[in-house]
Amino acid sequence: GAGVSQSPSNKVTEKGKDVELRCDPISGHTALYWYRQSLGQGLEFLIYFQGNSAPDKSGLPSDRFSAERTGGSVSTLTIQRTQQEDSAVYLCASSPDKDYGYTFGSGTRLTVV
Amino acid sequence: AQTVTQSQPEMSVQEAETVTLSCTYDTSESDYYLFWYKQPPSRQMILVIRQEAYKQQNATENRFSVNFQKAAKSFSLKISDSQLGDAAMYFCAYSWGKLQFGAGTQVVVTP
Repeated sequence: GAGVSQSPSNKVTEKGKDVELRCDPISGHTALYWYRQSLGQGLEFLIYFQGNSAPDKSGLPSDRFSAERTGGSVSTLTIQRTQQEDSAVYLCASSPDKDYGYTFGSGTRLTVV
Repeated sequence: AQTVTQSQPEMSVQEAETVTLSCTYDTSESDYYLFWYKQPPSRQMILVIRQEAYKQQNATENRFSVNFQKAAKSFSLKISDSQLGDAAMYFCAYSWGKLQFGAGTQVVVTP
């Protein structure tokens, strides 16, 4: 596609439920990143994919967070047993290669009530 | 560990004037990349400018230019002839395998 697409754009979920956030990167971009942005804060790195493998998942805050990427394309970020502190905007970005320059999606605003 | 520091939480500028946003970073690497991103209220992150550390020449993109001082680990952004559409949060970012962001500087443009 022309840009990085994220869905849903907004998600409200009850505490304790699982959620899946989707990222569809620009076609041909091998690098894919997930970031989290809490209200009024900067961006916090979560995980990086090169192709289908994740050489750096150091930013995942707990074992409730997981991510996968299939076919070198779409990625899914899953949060299990959501907590109120998980409320944030989750941003996805892709790049032709690492360090080249990232194109961001519009993000998913997650609200845990 | 690499860190990125933006010491100005907010900067105000009048239309047509110039504003400079500061950014410093800490790294032991010699070859890396630096970026400025703009985030308007729509929350879309927009790449403003990119600098490769091994290049001495400062990057420019229309009204946006940087002052890259590698030895001082400083990477400031100058916005010339400011426009109302420049109002946004601006993030400085360092990349060596993954982007690390500063806390951001809110730019307010007044008519």
